[in-house]
Amino acid sequence: DQQVKQNSPSLSVQEGRISILNCDYTNSMFDYFLWYKKYPAEGPTFLISISSIKDKNEDGRFTVFLNKSAKHLSLHIVPSQPGDSAVYFCAAKRGGATNKLIFGTGTLLAVQP
Amino acid sequence: AAGVIQSPRHLIKEKRETATLKCYPIPRHDTVYWYQQGPGQDPQFLISFYEKMQSDKGSIPDRFSAQQFSDYHSELNMSSLELGDSALYFCASSLAGTPLYNEQFFGPGTRLTVL
Repeated sequence: DQQVKQNSPSLSVQEGRISILNCDYTNSMFDYFLWYKKYPAEGPTFLISISSIKDKNEDGRFTVFLNKSAKHLSLHIVPSQPGDSAVYFCAAKRGGATNKLIFGTGTLLAVQP
Repeated sequence: AAGVIQSPRHLIKEKRETATLKCYPIPRHDTVYWYQQGPGQDPQFLISFYEKMQSDKGSIPDRFSAQQFSDYHSELNMSSLELGDSALYFCASSLAGTPLYNEQFFGPGTRLTVL
């Protein structure tokens, strides 16, 4: 049962344009969401996060939007750069004692020069 | 800044052998997490430790065990290895009791290949 879903396995964007990566979740107990970037043969690198009490968080070129009623979040990267090409994972955690992350299936972003 | 260190980076074992993976968290981080990522799959949570005590358990086989030591480093012990155990094993760490506790920082992973 995939509780966190990234329905687009891949996305191709031109350099300088906006990249929008989407993520849907099913568990209403999730209270914190994170985005990780992963290159092959490396560990996931933390990008940005958002608490369920917020609907937007921005850090430089990266902005995460959360729509709790739709159980949907998205990561916007603008402007996109070729170095952004990687697999992006959405992850979520439940409130309470557990701190384990539930990952989505990932989206491969290719930014074309 | 110092990151999470994992060793070895690559490991090749035969079926039914044992393996030990090590994780050194970011200095002063007191919580360690282990994840397994199979080929083409998303990382799956195995187990976590806080202050040397197991804090959460996920889909970790009974053949696997783990512990956290007084210096906060952690070891994942895997016995009776099976072909299906071939995967990337990631360790992550975070610092409890701070606003950053929710943000887990990952190591580079250990690629385990079971032949």
